[in-house]
Amino acid sequence: KQEVTQIPAALSVPEGENLVLNCSFTDSAIYNLQWFRQDPGKGLTSLLLIQSSQREQTSGRLNASLDKSSGRSTLYIAASQPGDSATYLCAVFRMDSSYKLIFGSGTRLLVRP
Amino acid sequence: KAGVTQTPRYLIKTRGQQVTLSCSPISGHRSVSWYQQTPGQGLQFLFEYFSETQRNKGNFPGRFSGRQFSNSRSEMNVSTLELGDSALYLCASSSAAGTETQYFGPGTRLLVL
Repeated sequence: KQEVTQIPAALSVPEGENLVLNCSFTDSAIYNLQWFRQDPGKGLTSLLLIQSSQREQTSGRLNASLDKSSGRSTLYIAASQPGDSATYLCAVFRMDSSYKLIFGSGTRLLVRP
Repeated sequence: KAGVTQTPRYLIKTRGQQVTLSCSPISGHRSVSWYQQTPGQGLQFLFEYFSETQRNKGNFPGRFSGRQFSNSRSEMNVSTLELGDSALYLCASSSAAGTETQYFGPGTRLLVL
């Protein structure tokens, strides 16, 4: 059974700091891994998608890496800003034709001005 | 391109009633998935539809049902509402579930009294 874990559950950093969010999964048979951002009471915003054959993806100040063999992904946020405050979720899409994302429980990030 | 839209955005119902939620995917997307989000259980998969066919259903009771129309719009129905059905219901669309980015709508917040 695929399980996705995100550590830490919450993180508070001062503005300008570079930070890393972690995601681990138990089964390496995945099609891809996706990182999302969720603001309170809102839907999910897709940040980055990494296909299983890729090692990393970058978008602006965000960089996500994937190591399938160890079952880990990291989301790196450079020069954090108060507007980055949100919950960050990772999700994996399994290779078993289940057509569903399996989500971690998220990391709640607060960037202090 | 317009994003994923969900209606209504908020609903208040009483126990025993039924409810229908609607999701319009991004134009051209044929895969629509539904997820339930609660503070205790996080994000859980309800079902996925592709070209009007349900390809997978999550571990929810039969009171939860859905369908997809020929224009890819989808509805989900919950009958005989229980207090525990209070949640944020999120819809996601993609052109090909599993291989491409899934885009989420803003969600429907359901409160059961």
